[in-house]
Amino acid sequence: AQTVTQSQPEMSVQEAETVTLSCTYDTSENNYYLFWYKQPPSRQMILVIRQEAYKQQNATENRFSVNFQKAAKSFSLKISDSQLGDTAMYFCAFMKSSGGGADGLTFGKGTHLIIQP
Amino acid sequence: GAGVSQSPRYKVAKRGQDVALRCDPISGHVSLFWYQQALGQGPEFLTYFQNEAQLDKSGLPSDRFFAERPEGSVSTLKIQRTQQEDSAVYLCASSLGWGRDGNTEAFFGQGTRLTVV
Repeated sequence: AQTVTQSQPEMSVQEAETVTLSCTYDTSENNYYLFWYKQPPSRQMILVIRQEAYKQQNATENRFSVNFQKAAKSFSLKISDSQLGDTAMYFCAFMKSSGGGADGLTFGKGTHLIIQP
Repeated sequence: GAGVSQSPRYKVAKRGQDVALRCDPISGHVSLFWYQQALGQGPEFLTYFQNEAQLDKSGLPSDRFFAERPEGSVSTLKIQRTQQEDSAVYLCASSLGWGRDGNTEAFFGQGTRLTVV
């Protein structure tokens, strides 16, 4: 079984600052995907960024980037130039890629990110 | 609509009542997941459908929980004899073909918040 750990229940930064959210995971799988999802008060999960474990290059999506350390099983999210609209719960998630499509996502407990004006 | 639609958005049930939660996935999406998200926690996998076939129901917490997707589109999650511990947000997600050819894009609905009193 996989586990995903987010050790920061809440973080608060000023607008325009850079913030890093931590995530570690435990798995015996070699091939898998890692995700960061954003959940605003509307409750709808929105995909922020995705990383494939076999790719060494860290994924980036505009202001969002990850630091993927496979050996350390670490997958942190960096948000640059933070904006008020970034305020939300952020969830780190894991999916193994060997299940033939029947495997869901394993989520961490989330980090509540607050961007202060 | 273009997204995943869930109804009702909110449901209050008296302990012992039966409830039915509906999910309308994006048209043409083969894969459908149900997740349970308790207050302050990350979503937890309940069950997975590929078309009308329920391929994995290992996450259903008890035999009071039942899910169906009879025609491979709309899905219903039914909870019988609700208990207070069933209070949570129930999220539905659909995907064109989850896990196939590297497809890991899932679209989430806004969830149903169930409160059992």
